[in-house]
Amino acid sequence: AQRVTQPEKLLSVFKGAPVELKCNYSYSGSPELFWYVQYSRQRLQLLLRHISRESIKGFTADLNKGETSFHLKKPFAQEEDSAMYYCARLNEKLTFGTGTRLTIIP
Amino acid sequence: DAGVIQSPRHEVTEMGQEVTLRCKPISGHDYLFWYRQTMMRGLELLIYFNNNVPIDDSGMPEDRFSAKMPNASFSTLKIQPSEPRDSAVYFCASSPDGGGEGYTFGSGTRLTVV
Repeated sequence: AQRVTQPEKLLSVFKGAPVELKCNYSYSGSPELFWYVQYSRQRLQLLLRHISRESIKGFTADLNKGETSFHLKKPFAQEEDSAMYYCARLNEKLTFGTGTRLTIIP
Repeated sequence: DAGVIQSPRHEVTEMGQEVTLRCKPISGHDYLFWYRQTMMRGLELLIYFNNNVPIDDSGMPEDRFSAKMPNASFSTLKIQPSEPRDSAVYFCASSPDGGGEGYTFGSGTRLTVV
């Protein structure tokens, strides 16, 4: 079964500090991976996808096939980054991790 | 486009009652997904449709759950009878091609069964 693991349910970071949200996936071929974000009282929305190699709202995520990881990173956390973050893998359908609630401490 | 539209936004019902959740996908999107979100298990895929046909319902927890998509612009998720453990946020999402472009989610229905 395709698995996506987010080991941290909760993560608190001080404003201005670096952020890293961990995501690991079960190995199988060439994965297509995504990060989704859900801000308070808003719908789940796509943050970024690995094939685009883009930076959105200062976040980046690099696919590391050797470690089967797709960690989400931001060098300087901002208060508006507080949200629920889901890592997801596409294999006919999107399979999500259990999510990490990120809280930025002012 | 108004995006994926779900109704109702909130539903409170008594145990044993029938609950129907509704979803209108984005026009032109051929795929429709129903997810359930809980604190313990995160986002779980319940069922998805391609061109109105159910493709994978392996995530449907029990026979109490059923989903239909009578046409390209409407889908329902029904729970009958409802139980307190069904309390969760239910999301509908649609996608033009099954995922390459990412999914567009609705606002969700927060279901509380008392």
